[in-house]
Amino acid sequence: GQQLNQSPQSMFIQEGEDVSMNCTSSSIFNTWLWYKQDPGEGPVLLIALYKAGELTSNGRLTAQFGTTRKDSFLNISASIPSDVGIYFCAGQRGNTGNQFYFGTGTSLTVIP
Amino acid sequence: DVKVTQSSRYLVKRTGEKVFLECVQDMDHENMFWYRQDPGLGLRLIYFSYDVKMKEKGDIPEGYSVSREKKERFSLILESASTNQTSMYLCASSYGPSYGYTFGSGTRLTVV
Repeated sequence: GQQLNQSPQSMFIQEGEDVSMNCTSSSIFNTWLWYKQDPGEGPVLLIALYKAGELTSNGRLTAQFGTTRKDSFLNISASIPSDVGIYFCAGQRGNTGNQFYFGTGTSLTVIP
Repeated sequence: DVKVTQSSRYLVKRTGEKVFLECVQDMDHENMFWYRQDPGLGLRLIYFSYDVKMKEKGDIPEGYSVSREKKERFSLILESASTNQTSMYLCASSYGPSYGYTFGSGTRLTVV
């Protein structure tokens, strides 16, 4: 299956700091999604991106669809303790129907 | 609130048992998916379905089968459970191509 590489694998940050993470692929994608998974729960969709270069915000979260269409970025500003969880990127190629490929996840810990 | 409901949060089964994991969605979605989640490996697609009685293999279908007799229900079957199938299993559904997935809360299966 398609491999999406997420970086970093884990982050430990102080409350109030900004966070950046990224996702890269060897293939071009037409859609990028970012999910957050709270401990013991299923992933929840945060942001969807549909066009190269697109920048979309959801509160303190901002995600970008990379111009090469092989990467995407997620930033969290002024982190708070409830930001703790695993963040997943997911990408979809136009020729594979509805199947999204998921990254390996970035685990975020926020220290109060 | 729209929902994907997985019948069990935790299951413990013995090696060789036949195991059924049930998933129901109330959103009238066409597409349904089964993933397994393992540390460091992210989410890996087992099977998916675009319509009633239709199924497609994902990246890791070996040892699994699925059933979709009704639009709202997608079942994952472990024909003969093995210890390497101990994992978190996530069900998801989506409205159509390029739409993000809605995930259930997951079933943590332990095979002993």
